[in-house]
Amino acid sequence: QVQLQESGPGLVKPSQTLSLTCTVSGGSISSGDYYWSWIRQPPGKGLEWIGYIYYSGSTYYNPSLKSRVTISVDTSKNQFSLKLSSVTAADTAVYYCASATVTTCLDIWGQGTMVTVSS
Amino acid sequence: DIVMTQTPLSLSVTPGQPASISCKSSQSLLHSDGKTYLYWYLQKPGQPPQLLIYEVSNRFSGVPDRFSGSGSGTDFTLKISRVEAEDVGVYYCMQSIQLPWTFGQGTKVEIK
Repeated sequence: QVQLQESGPGLVKPSQTLSLTCTVSGGSISSGDYYWSWIRQPPGKGLEWIGYIYYSGSTYYNPSLKSRVTISVDTSKNQFSLKLSSVTAADTAVYYCASATVTTCLDIWGQGTMVTVSS
Repeated sequence: DIVMTQTPLSLSVTPGQPASISCKSSQSLLHSDGKTYLYWYLQKPGQPPQLLIYEVSNRFSGVPDRFSGSGSGTDFTLKISRVEAEDVGVYYCMQSIQLPWTFGQGTKVEIK
């Protein structure tokens, strides 16, 4: 059973870059079955899908964030990462990583990590 | 982007009674491959969302059979036949037929 765990700083200053990593265990990130995704949830609000990366490196980003988002994969470490540049208070949220398949979509989620943007 | 609209936004249910949540999409979620890419998630308090239903009506592994999904095209429904205390949380529908994937606003279910 695949498990996911997010890690990274819980506090980021405005205008800086938010960087998070998701470690995949119990399966290979190189499996062609999965699209490795990031989703976020501002406090008390709903879910926003940020984007995904396929093991080959191909990506898709939500146009609402596209100019600031980079998702990358490190197959040697079985990890994928999120970078969000020029952050503001509006980027304060719980960030989740998740695996998605064509059939079951976002079927396995990490526990999430809270990131606060504040000086 | 496809807009997903859920109703109601909140629901208070007596244990043992049924509950129903509606989700409407701004475009058809029926793909040319014959599949409909509509999903239901439950986010229990303090937890990440968990997949309940995929492709409209298929229960994910371990999901109790009191949960059922139905619908087609742009109109979908999640039904809980007999609500239990552990079913409290926020329910979200989501579409993946078109990028970006989008979620409904969420429906908060509480127990009376």
